[in-house]
Amino acid sequence: IAGITQAPTSQILAAGRRMTLRCTQDMRHNAMYWYRQDLGLGLRLIHYSNTAGTTGKGEVPDGYSVSRANTDDFPLTLASAVPSQTSVYFCASSDSDEVNEQFFGPGTRLTVL
Amino acid sequence: GQNIDQPTEMTATEGAIVQINCTYQTSGFNGLFWYQQHAGEAPTFLSYNVLDGLEEKGRFSSFLSRSKGYSYLLLKELQMKDSASYLCAVRGGNYQLIWGAGTKLIIKP
Repeated sequence: IAGITQAPTSQILAAGRRMTLRCTQDMRHNAMYWYRQDLGLGLRLIHYSNTAGTTGKGEVPDGYSVSRANTDDFPLTLASAVPSQTSVYFCASSDSDEVNEQFFGPGTRLTVL
Repeated sequence: GQNIDQPTEMTATEGAIVQINCTYQTSGFNGLFWYQQHAGEAPTFLSYNVLDGLEEKGRFSSFLSRSKGYSYLLLKELQMKDSASYLCAVRGGNYQLIWGAGTKLIIKP
């Protein structure tokens, strides 16, 4: 089934631990994105990648890193988790057509204690 | 700064019509999107406007006025399954999306 998958679905993490959230799409979309969603706030862009091999910083990149070794995968790493990174994380992808709407994965609910 | 405003919550009755407004101030404009997000789920694409006017898609319509920095999403013949949050997003000058906080729509029988 075409779409975006994310893993894990949810995770409880001790502060200071390293964590990688996985994202894979099979739609051959060029662009991919990582957002966090917090209650009362809009989705905020963490990092993005317009094509394999390139990445860029979004609105809230501090404490996060990404890589884009191939078209399908776009992992997000928290090097040393802090409680303020408790959030729901969504991965998304988009094609390069006129509308360029973003398709979202199911999300990862992360709690940092 | 860049800003997108939409009401926090709205209530409507099954079978009725509801209009959800969105106003924006952004550095550049390259289109406006509406997404639907059910509780605990991912956002899903509803509509896209880049030119002024109304775009109709079944029970849902979206309107844009670029000069006023204003859009609305119109939902007709409301059904219980329309209970969700509706997110307004503007693609700015750097081609990244800027998101509003969303409007939670509650449908009552």
